[in-house]
Amino acid sequence: NAGVTQTPKFQVLKTGQSMTLQCAQDMNHNSMYWYRQDPGMGLRLIYYSASEGTTDKGEVPNGYNVSRLNKREFSLRLESAAPSQTSVYFCASSRPTGGVYEQYFGPGTRLTVT
Amino acid sequence: GESVGLHLPTLSVQEGDNSIINCAYSNSASDYFIWYKQESGKGPQFIIDIRSNMDKRQGQRVTVLLNKTVKHLSLQIAATQPGDSAVYFCAENSGGYQKVTFGTGTKLQVIP
Repeated sequence: NAGVTQTPKFQVLKTGQSMTLQCAQDMNHNSMYWYRQDPGMGLRLIYYSASEGTTDKGEVPNGYNVSRLNKREFSLRLESAAPSQTSVYFCASSRPTGGVYEQYFGPGTRLTVT
Repeated sequence: GESVGLHLPTLSVQEGDNSIINCAYSNSASDYFIWYKQESGKGPQFIIDIRSNMDKRQGQRVTVLLNKTVKHLSLQIAATQPGDSAVYFCAENSGGYQKVTFGTGTKLQVIP
């Protein structure tokens, strides 16, 4: 099992450009998430998908859109990138374990917006 | 690899010694707590979890202690090894997958 994979690993964008971050998991998990991680701050939830066909906003959704393409794939799109979106983005997936959700994270995408 | 926490509190420990990493949580309604390890340039990795109806849980070389009275969580690592060098952070879950709050982390440096 590859677990959670993310592409690309690194990306540099100019302000106003758009891009899509890809995420896939091969663990047959129902739930998937997108987080951003900034220096000195904990992981913050951007969007999540409880199951295929559903998506919901997290703590910091502004400037992002998501697509749950199928059970395996959950993509994050920046329509018009801004310097404030410079961050490390992590995708995660989870399975319920006795009512709680153990999350498995991908390796991250390091995005710089200039 | 890139550092994900530029101004994190740092704990320096001699190889072979025990490490204790602390975490204060904020929500008294949180019922599930997790410790993650994040190595430089990698995603967080689950270490151990504990439910709020427990005060101690042990894993392989790790122990988590929960004190609900003062809303405090600690991670103890026995016989710390160079491979334990990473950022450790706690997370609290107050119900549902969207209600997980992550701490900012502590950097553990193991001195050979």
